[in-house]
Amino acid sequence: AQTVTQSQPEMSVQEAETVTLSCTYDTSESDYYLFWYKQPPSRQMILVIRQEAYKQQNATENRFSVNFQKAAKSFSLKISDSQLGDAAMYFCAYRSETSGSRLTFGEGTQLTVNP
Amino acid sequence: DAGITQSPRHKVTETGTPVTLRCHQTENHRYMYWYRQDPGHGLRLIHYSYGVKDTDKGEVSDGYSVSRSKTEDFLLTLESATSSQTSVYFCAISELQGLGNTIYFGEGSWLTVV
Repeated sequence: AQTVTQSQPEMSVQEAETVTLSCTYDTSESDYYLFWYKQPPSRQMILVIRQEAYKQQNATENRFSVNFQKAAKSFSLKISDSQLGDAAMYFCAYRSETSGSRLTFGEGTQLTVNP
Repeated sequence: DAGITQSPRHKVTETGTPVTLRCHQTENHRYMYWYRQDPGHGLRLIHYSYGVKDTDKGEVSDGYSVSRSKTEDFLLTLESATSSQTSVYFCAISELQGLGNTIYFGEGSWLTVV
């Protein structure tokens, strides 16, 4: 079974600074997708960014980018120019055909942004 | 926003009573999922459906059953609620045409079993 691990239960960053959230996963598959979701206090799950395993180029969405290291099974999220609105719980997730196309989530990292 | 409605949004029930949570979608998506969220565990899959009357178990399915008689509705039933089922429940939907398709989540249902 696939597993996703987020080793940082909590992180903090100063406003306008950069922070990196870590995620590792375990799989024997070659075709899969990785995602980062944001969950603010409202509990709404918001997709931040996605990465296809077959693409070597790291995905980027505005201030959010990933560092995808397929061989190391690592998928970190970098948030640049952090804003107060970035404060939330962040979840890393994995999806593949053999997992029933469902998302498998990590435990989450609570990000605090300090003014 | 994806057209997903969960009901009820909040419920307090007593141990041993049956509870049904409803997920309704207006997107005509094939896949629907029920997750539960607990501190320290992220979101864990309870059951999912890949079509009308087609369902399968997730990683934490014990004590739960589901039904999908229409594309738009996916029901999660706790036959006899226990305190360990106190949680936040999320419904999600997806159109399976490529793994990269977004899975959209509902706003959650808070269930407290006393």
